This record gives sequence, C-alpha cells and structure tokens, in this order.
Amino acid sequence: KQEVTQIPAALSVPEGENLVLNCSFTDSAIYNLQWFRQDPGKGLTSLLLIQSSQREQTSGRLNASLDKSSGRSTLYIAASQPGDSATYLCAAKYTGNQFYFGTGTSLTVIP
Amino acid sequence: NAGVTQTPKFQVLKTGQSMTLQCAQDMNHEYMSWYRQDPGMGLRLIHYSVGAGITDQGEVPNGYNVSRSTTEDFPLRLLSAAPSQTSVYFCASSTGTSGNTIYFGEGSWLTVV
Repeated sequence: KQEVTQIPAALSVPEGENLVLNCSFTDSAIYNLQWFRQDPGKGLTSLLLIQSSQREQTSGRLNASLDKSSGRSTLYIAASQPGDSATYLCAAKYTGNQFYFGTGTSLTVIP
Repeated sequence: NAGVTQTPKFQVLKTGQSMTLQCAQDMNHEYMSWYRQDPGMGLRLIHYSVGAGITDQGEVPNGYNVSRSTTEDFPLRLLSAAPSQTSVYFCASSTGTSGNTIYFGEGSWLTVV
C-alpha cells in the first residue's frame, strides 16, 4: 500500500514569512504529484500538479518541487498572507487512476 | 460554472437506514470517484469509475454501492448505514489522463446515529 506523509500536521507563522510544507511518499514510481488547498467546510482545490518527468512547478507565490529518488515533494509559499490560512494536502498518483493523499498540514498565518 | 455538484450537504441517518449521495459533473470527464475524509486518515478512495457502465472498488468499498449509467452522474449508495460511516464524503472527477488535475465537490457531511 502506498503511503503519503505530511509533516508537520500544523504550522503557525507570522504574516510575510516564507514557508515550506513537506510531503513524503514511499513508492517513487509515481505518475504525478498534486498539491491541494482545503478551506474549512469546503472541498479541495488543486494548486499545482507536477508530472513525474518534472522537477518543479510555479504559480504566483507558490512553488512545488518533486524529488522522486528521495520520495519527497515540497510546497514553498513566499511572503505568506492571512488568506493563505488553510489545510494543504498532497496526493501522489500511481497507475490505475488512484490518488493517495497525505493527512494534510493545517497552516495559520497570523496578521 | 458548476463543476462537480454534490447533494445533500448535510445528512443525519439512523443506523440501518439507506441513502444515496448524489454527484454530478458538467465537464464531460470520464473518471469519477468517491472519497471519504476522516480525521487523521486523509482521503481514502471508496469507489471509482473510468466511464459510463464501468465501476471498480477503491481502498474502502465495504458498505457502499455505486453505478454509472451516464457520464455526468455517479451516485454513492449506503446500503445499511453504520456509525463507522460517519464521515465527510467527496466526489471528484477528472479526464483520467495523467496530466490533468482532479476537481472536487464541496463535500457531504454524513452523521450516522
């Protein structure tokens, strides 16, 4: 069974800080890895998708990297804002169309 | 711009009752799936479908049935609700190809008492 781990489970930072969220996966034969944002009481919104052949993807203040050999992905958020407060989940996709999700990191950005 | 629509948003059931969670998407996606989200356990796949008439089991299928009679709809049926099925349920859809993202509904909060 594939396992995806996210550490820390919760993170609190002051506004303006740059921060890194971590995602680890046990099987390096992934198709792609996605990062999602989940707001309380809402569904998941895709932030970034990294294909297995890519090393990183960027969207605005967000940058996600992928290192298959070490089984790790990171989500870098630059100049954090209170509006970034949410739970961030990563999901690894393998053959068979199944995504394996981490349990998420709950981020609080303090004004 | 509907995307993935789930109903109901909230439901309370008594043990042993049955119900159906509805899911519809308007993006002509082949691939649809149901997940449940429980504290400390992440999202776990219940059932999925790769096209109309084709369904398969995910990681935690027991106690649930699905069908896919049209591309748009993918209902999830709880046959005889149990307290262990208290959870948040998410429907998702995608084109199924590796390069495309997955879209989620807003969730259905189910409590079984």
